[in-house]
Amino acid sequence: GAVVSQHPSWVICKSGTSVKIECRSLDFQATTMFWYRQFPKQSLMLMATSNEGSKATYEQGVEKDKFLINHASLTLSTLTVTSAHPEDSSFYICSARDGSGRRLDVRYEQYFGPGTRLTVT
Amino acid sequence: GDSVTQMEGPVTLSEEAFLTINCTYTATGYPSLFWYVQYPGEGLQLLLKATKADDKGSNKGFEATYRKETTSFHLEKGSVQVSDSAVYFCALSDRPDMRFGAGTRLTVKP
Repeated sequence: GAVVSQHPSWVICKSGTSVKIECRSLDFQATTMFWYRQFPKQSLMLMATSNEGSKATYEQGVEKDKFLINHASLTLSTLTVTSAHPEDSSFYICSARDGSGRRLDVRYEQYFGPGTRLTVT
Repeated sequence: GDSVTQMEGPVTLSEEAFLTINCTYTATGYPSLFWYVQYPGEGLQLLLKATKADDKGSNKGFEATYRKETTSFHLEKGSVQVSDSAVYFCALSDRPDMRFGAGTRLTVKP
């Protein structure tokens, strides 16, 4: 259980175009989802936290108009990189928390997706 | 604020060697602690976890004990294999979001 998928697993796009990445919780309801960015050989940087049905909360320094996050349902969150540029090339990872209360053994545990590698040419 | 400090890498070991990756944390509350592993080109996989002081998390031969007195959660394995080569992240969670260490790259040579 507690599986999170991401789609696509990799994408190449041209500079100036927009790219949408999907994050789905497959077997649980994710009231909260997180988006991380990871540069090569570096740790994960939290970009934003999204709660189902409300606006995402962005970390300092993350442009909310560039990285649009939508969490319209309890199983789906999307990250849209608008007007992508080469510097947006990175590995994007989402995670989700189980909001059902069934998994009470670990407070605030997150389940991670496999990541999406974005390359902007 | 909450933070995690991990041992600097990279770490290179021979097969069957003993592994320790140090992790210490700073938190105002009582966080849950985690070790994640990331293989090349992949996302994070939960390796083990502990929720309270003196808890020991274990999985696939890896162990880590939640030490409140030293605010540590060191990762150990008695005999590493080539397949253990990966990046290991220590993390804590005392709020809805999670804080990660910088990651330690482990390479195990045959």
